[in-house]
Amino acid sequence: DAGVTQSPTHLIKTRGQQVTLRCSPKSGHDTVSWYQQALGQGPQFIFQYYEEEERQRGNFPDRFSGHQFPNYSSELNVNALLLGDSALYLCASSLAAVEGYTFGSGTRLTVV
Amino acid sequence: KQEVTQIPAALSVPEGENLVLNCSFTDSAIYNLQWFRQDPGKGLTSLLLIQSSQREQTSGRLNASLDKSSGRSTLYIAASQPGDSATYLCAALGGGNKLTFGTGTQLKVEL
Repeated sequence: DAGVTQSPTHLIKTRGQQVTLRCSPKSGHDTVSWYQQALGQGPQFIFQYYEEEERQRGNFPDRFSGHQFPNYSSELNVNALLLGDSALYLCASSLAAVEGYTFGSGTRLTVV
Repeated sequence: KQEVTQIPAALSVPEGENLVLNCSFTDSAIYNLQWFRQDPGKGLTSLLLIQSSQREQTSGRLNASLDKSSGRSTLYIAASQPGDSATYLCAALGGGNKLTFGTGTQLKVEL
């Protein structure tokens, strides 16, 4: 049973560019959440998608946007990249939040 | 706003020692608390999930407890091994179905 799959694993972008990260949830899960983890910090909640709609959003600017597809997979888009966007981006999926979240291996984004 | 704190930030112990990692949270209105392990540069691996109605959960050498009234959870690791070296994160699930994480405890188990 495949867990959460994220792609790509690593990415280097230049300031001002745009990036798209992808996530396939664990089989049977319908909710996808995205987190940003800066070096030495705990993950910070970006937003959550359910039934193809953004259900919750953390304290992130509108440069961060997302999408969920009918097969429950999701994309995270970041526009006008800043050096401070360099981080590990984690995707988590769940069926019912109270049953716990499963995380992917993350995408390491470096902005130069 | 939920805030999660983990103490200590780093811990180094000799192999075989029993140890306790601490996690505290400010808002007791949580649905559950989840402990994760993170190896350097990797994603999160779920270790234990404690529902708000439960007091503890056990898996192998790991035992996690939850005291909602005091806003505390502990992760107990018995007979530590070098392979246990990693960062341990606790996360509280609150309103909006979002996890609030602590900054983690970096554990090193030495031979």
